[in-house]
Amino acid sequence: AQKITQTQPGMFVQEKEAVTLDCTYDTSDPSYGLFWYKQPSSGEMIFLIYQGSYDQQNATEGRYSLNFQKARKSANLVISASQLGDSAMYFCAMSPLARRTGGFKTIFGAGTRLFVKA
Amino acid sequence: DAGVIQSPRHEVTEMGQEVTLRCKPISGHDYLFWYRQTMMRGLELLIYFNNNVPIDDSGMPEDRFSAKMPNASFSTLKIQPSEPRDSAVYFCASSLGISGNTIYFGEGSWLTVV
Repeated sequence: AQKITQTQPGMFVQEKEAVTLDCTYDTSDPSYGLFWYKQPSSGEMIFLIYQGSYDQQNATEGRYSLNFQKARKSANLVISASQLGDSAMYFCAMSPLARRTGGFKTIFGAGTRLFVKA
Repeated sequence: DAGVIQSPRHEVTEMGQEVTLRCKPISGHDYLFWYRQTMMRGLELLIYFNNNVPIDDSGMPEDRFSAKMPNASFSTLKIQPSEPRDSAVYFCASSLGISGNTIYFGEGSWLTVV
C-alpha cells in the first residue's frame, strides 16, 4: 500500500531564511514519482517540483529543491530565501510510474502549513 | 494553454438538491481525477479515469456520488441528494500518464450544502 506522511502540521520561518518541509513515503512500486504542491489561501493547487525515483540527482526549480533520500524514503522540500508569498499549505504527493493493472493513482499527504514572518 | 477548467467555482445549495460539478481537463491529457478537500479529511481521491474509463472509484463516499466522463474533454461529478457533510472543495485534475504523472489541478469548486 502507498502512504505519504507529513509530520509537521505547521512551520514558521523568518523571511529570507531557508526552510525544510518533511515528507516520508511508503510504496511497493519499483518506480514512482514524488511531487510537491503549494496551496495558497486562495485555494488553488500549484505544482512546484517533481522527482522520479530513478533520478540520480535531486530536483531543483528556482528556489525549490527536493532533498530525495531513497533509502530513507524521504522527499523533503527545501525552500531557499523564503518570501512572504511562500506562506501557504504545502502537500507532498506520490504516484507509481510503471504501467500496471489499475493505472496510476496519486496520493497526497496531510500537508504542512508554512508561515513566513517578516 | 488553458489549464483544467471547473465550474461552478462556488455553489450554495439546500440539502436534498442535486449538485453537478463540471470539469474540462487539459487537452491531450489521458488521466482525469476528482479530489475532495475538507479540513477534517484533507485531500481525498474520489475517482479517476483513464481514457474516459473509470479506473478506481473506491474513494467515492457512497451511492449518492456518481461521476461520468462521456468524452476526453468533459467530466461531471454529481451528488444526489446532497447533504451538509458534502460541503467541501472539489478539485478536478488531469495528467498525461507518460510524463511523470504530474497532475494539474483546476481552481476547485467550493460547495456549501445548507
